[in-house]
Amino acid sequence: EVQLVESGGGLVQPGGSLRLSCAASGFTFSNYWMTWVRQAPGKGLEWVANIKQDESEKYYVDSVKGRFTISRDNAKNSLYLQMNSLRAEDTAVYYCATVVATGTWYFDYWGQGTLVTVSS
Amino acid sequence: QSVLTQPHSVSGAPGQRVTISCTGSSSNIGAGYDVHWYQQLPGTAPKLLIYSKNNRPSGVPDRFSGSKSGTSASLAITGLQAEDEADYYCQSYDISLSVYVFGGGTKVSVL
Repeated sequence: EVQLVESGGGLVQPGGSLRLSCAASGFTFSNYWMTWVRQAPGKGLEWVANIKQDESEKYYVDSVKGRFTISRDNAKNSLYLQMNSLRAEDTAVYYCATVVATGTWYFDYWGQGTLVTVSS
Repeated sequence: QSVLTQPHSVSGAPGQRVTISCTGSSSNIGAGYDVHWYQQLPGTAPKLLIYSKNNRPSGVPDRFSGSKSGTSASLAITGLQAEDEADYYCQSYDISLSVYVFGGGTKVSVL
């Protein structure tokens, strides 16, 4: 059974940093692109970042470029999101998900999410 | 303002058919990019419902179906059930923005 478990969320002050983790199991992690998607309270879904299996390609939404860094450790079956210079508008539940990248791109398995709150 | 436009809400009686539209543009759906649909039950994570227009992952009932035409796509739910009350999101890729885009979400209510 595929499992994705996010952790690392919490309350942080504006300008602060946080590192999210996503522990994967039940599938061959190193074979998949991975992604982070966020959802602000009461709002819709927003794609944040993608990373290729070997980390050779990484993509970000403009609003987080230069502030967030996606990475992975295939030996530990783990995905990460380093978030720096956090802003109030980054407040959201952050989900990690597996990416199907076979000429079309979609997100087939999702974790339960971890809440990040940016507030003073 | 989402790149993909969905109605805020739709409702129907049990057993009825409801449809959710997802309207894009020539830089996403109209450019030939597939549309995928997710279901988010209250208080839970999104779940893949339909991928690549009209394919269902294992376990998704065939009451759910997708279609696409031009710059729009639709999700249909036939034989509406109480357990279908959820938020539904469409998703595609936008070549102009170089991002994966979601619709704003549609809340389905069962009367």
